[in-house]
Amino acid sequence: QQQVKQSPQSLIVQKGGISIINCAYENTAFDYFPWYQQFPGKGPALLIAIRPDVSEKKEGRFTISFNKSAKQFSLHIMDSQPGDSATYFCAASGWAGGTSYGKLTFGQGTILTVHP
Amino acid sequence: DARVTQTPRHKVTEMGQEVTMRCQPILGHNTVFWYRQTMMQGLELLAYFRNRAPLDDSGMPKDRFSAEMPDATLATLKIQPSEPRDSAVYFCASGPDRGTSPLHFGNGTRLTVT
Repeated sequence: QQQVKQSPQSLIVQKGGISIINCAYENTAFDYFPWYQQFPGKGPALLIAIRPDVSEKKEGRFTISFNKSAKQFSLHIMDSQPGDSATYFCAASGWAGGTSYGKLTFGQGTILTVHP
Repeated sequence: DARVTQTPRHKVTEMGQEVTMRCQPILGHNTVFWYRQTMMQGLELLAYFRNRAPLDDSGMPKDRFSAEMPDATLATLKIQPSEPRDSAVYFCASGPDRGTSPLHFGNGTRLTVT
């Protein structure tokens, strides 16, 4: 019940295209859904996050879509650039029991390659 | 630009040796997390602290792993004795524990146990 399932494992997109990564969760106690971006040799860095009270959040070229009833959320990268090539992780956490939102359950990751 | 600092960045050791990884969280952050990243298991939470007190270490193999915060500027993760299956990248992350304030990750310690 703690799993977060992420797909696809890898994604190749042409420059200017749209990259879409999907995640599904099982634990209904989750109420915080961040996406992290990781470059080789670096730690994950928060990209964008959403709470379940909204169905969509946009920051620049990055948009999270959230479907509470389906327990699914996705990351859309518009106008994908070669500099976006990285590994992307979805994650989920909740405050149940006084725990911390930093106690994250991560998806398996998607390796995104954007070709120039 | 405040950042989480981890040392060493790389560590190669032989099976059975003790390994200590260190983390300096961002000043003012009162929650500290240890995550482990492997190809097979992805990113897994090992332990976390709030105000230096351990809150959850259920992700750690208790017989060989230990995590401590001797003071607010230092968190340590120790493996004794180390085994080849411990080879992974170990990340420390810190956060201010205010609602959904972002978690900041260090650049990790890459551990190789031969």
